[in-house]
Amino acid sequence: QKEVEQNSGPLSVPEGAIASLNCTYSDRGSQSFFWYRQYSGKSPELIMSIYSNGDKEDGRFTAQLNKASQYVSLLIRDSQPSDSATYLCAVRAGGSYIPTFGRGTSLIVHP
Amino acid sequence: EPEVTQTPSHQVTQMGQEVILRCVPISNHLYFYWYRQILGQKVEFLVSFYNNEISEKSEIFDDQFSVERPDGSNFTLKIRSTKLEDSAMYFCASSLGSPYSNQPQHFGDGTRLSIL
Repeated sequence: QKEVEQNSGPLSVPEGAIASLNCTYSDRGSQSFFWYRQYSGKSPELIMSIYSNGDKEDGRFTAQLNKASQYVSLLIRDSQPSDSATYLCAVRAGGSYIPTFGRGTSLIVHP
Repeated sequence: EPEVTQTPSHQVTQMGQEVILRCVPISNHLYFYWYRQILGQKVEFLVSFYNNEISEKSEIFDDQFSVERPDGSNFTLKIRSTKLEDSAMYFCASSLGSPYSNQPQHFGDGTRLSIL
């Protein structure tokens, strides 16, 4: 059974701070890693994808992947109240179309 | 910006009835997907579709489910005999290229299915 684990939160950070979201996965064959943002009652929206070890930066977002530790994280710099949402980690094994999602971490950015 | 559209936004159906959820993917996209999310639970993959056939499906996608692309624009999910546990938000998604090419999947706003 492939598992993707996330702390459900809520993670509460003040506006302007760095929010750090974490995800672990069980399948060592995983090759593609994704972070989605989901506002309440809305559809998931892809924020970042990462495929190799290390950091990948896109604007205020940085994804970090450590395959040896089976760990992927998302950092949000200069957090804004509009970043308040649930962040979903998704992992896909090589050779499969099927992504496995975590339950998501609720982030609250308070002014 | 082009988007994936889903109709209806909310569907209420009696248990045992058939239901069809409709999706219009982004026009030049070639790969189509259905996901579901039971309230408060994880997003779960149901099926992927390419070149008029299923390319992969999950254990959830049993004989009660079917997908079809009846014309050049619509992509439908049919549930033949609905059960209470089918109540969920159903998301359609599409991508320009194969998941193996790491093309992003664009999600529609979802259809909330409520089985009574």
